[in-house]
Amino acid sequence: GAGVSQSPSNKVTEKGKDVELRCDPISGHTALYWYRQSLGQGLEFLIYFQGNSAPDKSGLPSDRFSAERTGGSVSTLTIQRTQQEDSAVYLCASSPPLADRDSDTQYFGPGTRLTVL
Amino acid sequence: GEDVEQSLFLSVREGDSSVINCTYTDSSSTYLYWYKQEPGAGLQLLTYIFSNMDMKQDQRLTVLLNKKDKHLSLRIADTQTGDSAIYFCAESMNSGYSTLTFGKGTMLLVSP
Repeated sequence: GAGVSQSPSNKVTEKGKDVELRCDPISGHTALYWYRQSLGQGLEFLIYFQGNSAPDKSGLPSDRFSAERTGGSVSTLTIQRTQQEDSAVYLCASSPPLADRDSDTQYFGPGTRLTVL
Repeated sequence: GEDVEQSLFLSVREGDSSVINCTYTDSSSTYLYWYKQEPGAGLQLLTYIFSNMDMKQDQRLTVLLNKKDKHLSLRIADTQTGDSAIYFCAESMNSGYSTLTFGKGTMLLVSP
């Protein structure tokens, strides 16, 4: 079946502008994660959604970052007043329901490469 | 705290075996993963091992887990140029939900 998709694949923006990044998880997956991968760094956890529960926002680096997940499916990561240090690849992942034996496995999308000029 | 360490770079010749190593610090990890990232692409799940196992084999891939030393390795047999990529080790804890803690990745370069 279809994997996790993300759009846009590339985004170039000017410092100070807002950006929205979209993630479509695998159908039926209840968990959705956002990560950030900066040049030369590992993956940094940003935010986690599980079903209708309140999201775990503990990884968001500042209040300029927010995310929502509508209808338990599609998620949008919003970065307000972008800064150059926000330049990174933003990766989304989804996981099957908690009752599934595979629930800990995360399946990643191709990422959105954000460049802030 | 959680910390996952990997060597940054490995170079091998085509046909040789590659061994990528990873150490982690959280003894409560329940799953350990290997992901592959090709240039410009997202992460592809290669394999994972549950913490009560010490070995898992999947075709050319062999995962070894030494839980006592908190050491995980990925062996790729008969390495091909198409295996050139960045390999990430990650750990998770099954606490009802879990985020993954990733290492910084090991770049594997396979030369002809």
